[in-house]
Amino acid sequence: AQSVTQLDSQVPVFEEAPVELRCNYSSSVSVYLFWYVQYPNQGLQLLLKYLSGSTLVKGINGFEAEFNKSQTSFHLRKPSVHISDTAEYFCAVSLISSGSARQLTFGSGTQLTVLP
Amino acid sequence: ETGVTQSPTHLIKTRGQQVTLRCSSQSGHNTVSWYQQALGQGPQFIFQYYREEENGRGNFPPRFSGLQFPNYSSELNVNALELDDSALYLCASSLPSSGTLSHEQYFGPGTRLTVT
Repeated sequence: AQSVTQLDSQVPVFEEAPVELRCNYSSSVSVYLFWYVQYPNQGLQLLLKYLSGSTLVKGINGFEAEFNKSQTSFHLRKPSVHISDTAEYFCAVSLISSGSARQLTFGSGTQLTVLP
Repeated sequence: ETGVTQSPTHLIKTRGQQVTLRCSSQSGHNTVSWYQQALGQGPQFIFQYYREEENGRGNFPPRFSGLQFPNYSSELNVNALELDDSALYLCASSLPSSGTLSHEQYFGPGTRLTVT
């Protein structure tokens, strides 16, 4: 079975500072990796994804993430955050050889709070 | 192109009742997945429908059931509601079940269910 661990449940950071949200996964087979963002009282929005190719992937709103296969990590970074980045961030994996169902397994989330 | 829509936005039910939640998939997507997100947690996979058939299920009891219609819209039905069923229910759609892009799931805004 696969699992996703988000190491920090809450990350407070000052506006214009850099931020890193950590994600580690465990799986016996290869996975695709995703980061989703959830604003209060809303659904999930796809932030970025790693499917193949370059291990450094860029997403929306200036976020990027790096896939590290040896460390089974997929940490999310942004060089300078804005107040509007305050939200819950979820890391998720999808098994490449999951058969017919494309099931996402999520971490427990990291609440990013950007302080003025 | 319309995104994933869900109805209703909120509803309140009493323990023991039954509820039906509805989802319309994104244009061009024929696979629909349902997730339960309890307060303060990441979404948990309930099941997935493709070509009007269930093709994957998470660790949820049989009182959680679903349907997919020829126009790819979907319903989630929950019988004999329990207090622990209170959660945000998210619907996600994806491309046909083959290839890398089929792993990308696009979420609706969710239905907030409260069981009293």
